[in-house]
Amino acid sequence: DAGVIQSPRHEVTEMGQEVTLRCKPISGHDYLFWYRQTMMRGLELLIYFNNNVPIDDSGMPEDRFSAKMPNASFSTLKIQPSEPRDSAVYFCASSSSASGYYEQYFGPGTRLTVT
Amino acid sequence: DAKTTQPPSMDCAEGRAANLPCNHSTISGNEYVYWYRQIHSQGPQYIIHGLKNNETNEMASLIITEDRKSSTLILPHATLRDTAVYYCIVRVASSGTYKYIFGTGTRLKVLA
Repeated sequence: DAGVIQSPRHEVTEMGQEVTLRCKPISGHDYLFWYRQTMMRGLELLIYFNNNVPIDDSGMPEDRFSAKMPNASFSTLKIQPSEPRDSAVYFCASSSSASGYYEQYFGPGTRLTVT
Repeated sequence: DAKTTQPPSMDCAEGRAANLPCNHSTISGNEYVYWYRQIHSQGPQYIIHGLKNNETNEMASLIITEDRKSSTLILPHATLRDTAVYYCIVRVASSGTYKYIFGTGTRLKVLA
């Protein structure tokens, strides 16, 4: 398996623009997680899905952030409008309930810079 | 939510065992301890997990104290490629699944 795939790997945009980050989880995994990592706040869980349904979005910072999972193999995290403080590395991770241990497998991340 | 406490940094000589401690004094009886590491700017990588028994796999060993209030991750023969930030995480139940609460981790530097 190719692992969790994220695109783009790097994104530079201007303040006020819409940004869309994409994630393809490992095939067969039923959980998908979006994290954000900054030097100041470390690794934070934003939202997670189970079988394509959002379960907990309490970590989403504000209404400018939205996430969707239209099918089992694709998810997006959208920021509209973007602000400089959104600059961070965004990770997607997936896991399977089948093993019972729920270990998460992370993608390589998308480094977002908002100028 | 249970939280973990780790030393911010440690050094280890190449070829020696690296012992990374973690305190999780507020852990509940059914909460697992997981260890992940993050090399440079890559995504975190799963290492090992445990509940109350000691565990070993091809990457590391996990020693959990009898009262479960602390644990130690052991890399038996550290190499330069083991230089990374190591996160000790308590998995907490949430809405039918589990969430990870990441702390600040330990930055391990393996020295040649």
